[in-house]
Amino acid sequence: AQTVTQSQPEMSVQEAETVTLSCTYDTSESNYYLFWYKQPPSRQMILVIRQEAYKQQNATENRFSVNFQKAAKSFSLKISDSQLGDTAMYFCAFMNGSNFGNEKLTFGTGTRLTIIP
Amino acid sequence: NAGVTQTPKFQVLKTGQSMTLQCAQDMNHNSMYWYRQDPGMGLRLIYYSASEGTTDKGEVPNGYNVSRLNKREFSLRLESAAPSQTSVYFCASSEEEDKGYEQYFGPGTRLTVT
Repeated sequence: AQTVTQSQPEMSVQEAETVTLSCTYDTSESNYYLFWYKQPPSRQMILVIRQEAYKQQNATENRFSVNFQKAAKSFSLKISDSQLGDTAMYFCAFMNGSNFGNEKLTFGTGTRLTIIP
Repeated sequence: NAGVTQTPKFQVLKTGQSMTLQCAQDMNHNSMYWYRQDPGMGLRLIYYSASEGTTDKGEVPNGYNVSRLNKREFSLRLESAAPSQTSVYFCASSEEEDKGYEQYFGPGTRLTVT
């Protein structure tokens, strides 16, 4: 079974600064996907960024980027130029890409990020 | 295009009562999921359905049943609610491989069992 670990329960950073959220995972699979989801106070789950394990290039989406270290099984999220709207819970999630029809996500316990004005 | 919708948004039950949480998606997705979210636990999978007519247990299925009524709808039933089932429940559906398996979530149902 896969496990996902987020070791930072809470973080805070000043507006406009850069912050990095950590995530490690454990799997014996070679084909998988990794995700970061954001959950603002509204409770809605929103996909932030996705990484396919077979791609060596780190994914980027505007101010969000990842540092994917496959050998170390590490998948950190970097938020640049942080904004007040980035305040949210952030969840790292793993999906086994080898089980057709079974694309379920395994989530970490989350990091609560607060952006300070 | 409403995405994933869930009803109700809030519910209070007494121990032993039953209820059904409804979920529908209008994105023509094959796969649908039910998760529960508890403080400090992240989201945990209760049941999922890879296609119409199929359902499988997830990590925490005890005390729940599901029905995949058609491609759009996936309901979660609590037959005899217990205080341990107090949680926030999320329904989700997912894209296929060509769109990176992105899961879309409903707004959640906050359930309290007293």
